[in-house]
Amino acid sequence: AQKVTQAQTEISVVEKEDVTLDCVYETRDTTYYLFWYKQPPSGELVFLIRRNSFDEQNEISGRYSWNFQKSTSSFNFTITASQVVDSAVYFCALSASEYGNKLVFGAGTILRVKS
Amino acid sequence: DTGVSQNPRHKITKRGQNVTFRCDPISEHNRLYWYRQTLGQGPEFLTYFQNEAQLEKSRLLSDRFSAERPKGSFSTLEIQRTEQGDSAMYLCASSPNYVVAQYFGPGTRLLVL
Repeated sequence: AQKVTQAQTEISVVEKEDVTLDCVYETRDTTYYLFWYKQPPSGELVFLIRRNSFDEQNEISGRYSWNFQKSTSSFNFTITASQVVDSAVYFCALSASEYGNKLVFGAGTILRVKS
Repeated sequence: DTGVSQNPRHKITKRGQNVTFRCDPISEHNRLYWYRQTLGQGPEFLTYFQNEAQLEKSRLLSDRFSAERPKGSFSTLEIQRTEQGDSAMYLCASSPNYVVAQYFGPGTRLLVL
C-alpha cells in the first residue's frame, strides 16, 4: 500500500479559480510530520509547510491553506485565486519513525494554471 | 544564508563510466540526505548522514553507489559502472534535525547513454 497517496495526477484550472490538492497518508505512528513541497519547472523542490500530528489546526498563508484531518488521514492543500506562477508539481510527504524519519513522498500532482 | 548547492547541475555520460556528484548543505545543518527522482515520480530516499556518519541506506542504493561526507560538511555521491537505468535527477537535502523541514538543492540531472 502507498504510504502517501496523491490521487490527482494532473489538475488544470483557469487563473483565479480555487484548487485543492488531495493527500492521504498511512502510518501507525502517533507522532509524525507532514509536508508539502512545490517543484516548479526549474526542478528545485521548495518547502511550503510542515505540520506535526498533534496540531490539527488549519493553517493559512496568503493564498495557501492546509486542512489536516487526522480522522481521515488527509492533509489537503488549497490555493485560492490561483495564478499562472502556481503552475508546478506539488508533492505531499510524510516523516515518521516507522519509515526511518526520512521523507516519504507521494507521486505528486501536476497543477496547470491557464491565463 | 545560502541554500543547498549541487554540482554539476547536468551530467551526460556513457554507460559503464563512473560519475561523482557533490552536495554542499546549508551550513550548520548536520543532517544530509540523498534522493533520486525519476520522471513522473516523487523523490525516493537513497541515504542520509548525520554529521559524517552514514546512518541509513536504501535498498535502492546498489553496491555500485557510494556516498561519503568527510568531516561532516559536503557530501559526494559516486555511481560506478553507470547503467541506463541510473538516469534520473539526484537531489540533495539538508536539515538541522529530523523534525524540521529538509531543504533541497537544485539537483543533478544524470543522463546515461
